[in-house]
Amino acid sequence: QQQVKQSPQSLIVQKGGIPIINCAYENTAFDYFPWYQQFPGKGPALLIAIRPDVSEKKEGRFTISFNKSAKQFSLHIMDSQPGDSATYFCAARRNTGNQFYFGTGTSLTVIP
Amino acid sequence: ETGVTQSPTHLIKTRGQQVTLRCSSQSGHNTVSWYQQALGQGPQFIFQYYREEENGRGNFPPRFSGLQFPNYSSELNVNALELDDSALYLCASSLDVGNTEAFFGQGTRLTVV
Repeated sequence: QQQVKQSPQSLIVQKGGIPIINCAYENTAFDYFPWYQQFPGKGPALLIAIRPDVSEKKEGRFTISFNKSAKQFSLHIMDSQPGDSATYFCAARRNTGNQFYFGTGTSLTVIP
Repeated sequence: ETGVTQSPTHLIKTRGQQVTLRCSSQSGHNTVSWYQQALGQGPQFIFQYYREEENGRGNFPPRFSGLQFPNYSSELNVNALELDDSALYLCASSLDVGNTEAFFGQGTRLTVV
């Protein structure tokens, strides 16, 4: 059973566009939600993370929106660039847990 | 770069063989987790080590085993390799056990033929 559901599977946007990637979860014990960026042949790199006590967090061009009641969170990439082309994973972790549950990933392509 | 290094970067093994993968965690980090990432999928948790003790395990059979050393580096051992074990194996280190950030290495690409 997939603990964290991610959509879409792939996304193509023009340079300057704002891709949005969505994730949903069921386990209300999750209290830490990171997003990772992964380039081919590399390990995932932490982009930004949020806890459920805030509804939004911005770091540079990356924003997480969090809806605790709906158990959903999303990643927005402002002014997207071709260098942002990568696979993005959302994840979640329980407050007393020791593992991350990852979504299935979104392959983002930013066209120049 | 995260400071987490894994070796080797690529490996080809034959079904039935055994393999050892290595991970050097980021300086000061005492917690190491291992994940398996099949092609086109998200990472799946194998197990975690904290201060040389296993601290939780995912849904993987006992032929997946690990070690953590006093310097907090770690090994993942897989016995009796199967074709489905072909994947990217990722090591992630954290400053401490609990709800903290995890930093991944570049992974070891294992191919079982």
